Parts: sequence; C-alpha cells; structure tokens
Amino acid sequence: GAVVSQHPSRVICKSGTSVKIECRSLDFQATTMFWYRQFPKQSLMLMATSNEGSKATYEQGVEKDKFLINHASLTLSTLTVTSAHPEDSSFYICSASQADTGTQYFGPGTRLTVL
Amino acid sequence: AQSVTQLGSHVSVSEGALVLLRCNYSSSVPPYLFWYVQYPNQGLQLLLKYTSAATLVKGINGFEAEFKKSETSFHLTKPSAHMSDAAEYFCAVSYTGGGNKLTFGTGTQLKVEL
Repeated sequence: GAVVSQHPSRVICKSGTSVKIECRSLDFQATTMFWYRQFPKQSLMLMATSNEGSKATYEQGVEKDKFLINHASLTLSTLTVTSAHPEDSSFYICSASQADTGTQYFGPGTRLTVL
Repeated sequence: AQSVTQLGSHVSVSEGALVLLRCNYSSSVPPYLFWYVQYPNQGLQLLLKYTSAATLVKGINGFEAEFKKSETSFHLTKPSAHMSDAAEYFCAVSYTGGGNKLTFGTGTQLKVEL
C-alpha cells in the first residue's frame, strides 16, 4: 500500500516551454501533497504544500507564478513549470500525506532537463 | 523551529559489519521522526518512523532506530550491512500541528564494501 506515482519520469524541453508533472496517490486519498526539488547530491528542498481544493502554500523564495500547482482531487496534484529555463533543470519529487497517519509517501521523481 | 543534523555525509562499512547512521534533532515540541532511503535517480522510500509510541522502532530491510529524548537523537542501525544497502539515507522531522511538513537532514551516503 501507500504507492505514489509521478509522470513523466524524465522530460527534456526547450527553454521557454512549459512542462507539467503529475503526482498521483494510487491506493489512498491524500488531502495534502508536497512538491520538492532536489539538486545533485543535496537534500530535498520543499517548494510548496498542496491541499485539495485550495491554493497551494509556497515556501519562501519559490515563485508561485513560475511553479503552478493544482490539486484538483484527493489523488492527483500537478506541478507546471512555466517558461522553463536551464536553471529550472532539476529532480522534482512529490509526496502524498496519508490522512490518518500524516506519513508522507514519495513518488519516484521527475528529472527535468531544460535545454 | 525544527531541524535535523546528520553527522557524516559519507559512511563506509564492510559487508556484514554494523551500520550506524547518526541523526540528531532539534524541536521545541514532541517530534515525529523518520528515516528515508533514496537509491540513485529514484524517490524516497520510508524505512521507519517514530510517532511517540515505542522508542525502539523497527523498519524494513532489517533497519531499526532508537529515539533517545535525553540525547535528542534518532540514530539508524542495522546489524549486518548488505551490498544492496548502499544508498543515500535521509533523516527527517515533523511535528503535530505542523501540517505534516518534513524538515530533512542533509543526507548520508552509505557505501558498502566487500
């Protein structure tokens, strides 16, 4: 149980384009999902907290107009990187919080490369 | 505010030897503590968690961790390392009322040698 999927696992795009990443909780409902960014050989940096049916809460320094988050259902959250630039290249990981335990379960991550 | 310190960014052990990965936390309220493992180019997998029940927590793959309030520690151990244990390990803390937000340590890369 407690499986979280992400799609796509890897994406390469041109500078200026937008990229959408999906995060799904497959076998449980998640009222809260989180989006992280991880640079090579570094820890995870929380970007935003996504609550179903409401606006996401962004961490300090994260541009909300750059990283659009939508949490339309209890099993799906999306992160859209708008007008991507090479500095947005990174490993993006989502997690879903199990309501009864609060434990976060992580997706496999999405490797974004912006050319 | 909560924080986590992982001592040793790299730990190397021989196969069959004891694994000890250190984690110290700082929290003004009772914490929830977690250990996650990350294999290259993958997400994080939950190894074990402490949520104020038993102080000795057993997880998957033979790992366990002991919550020691007096030492503000939550070290991860495994009696006998296996080659497949080579990975990055993250300690994390959250707390009741914190919206389940996790604060991660900087990670420890475990290397297992023959």
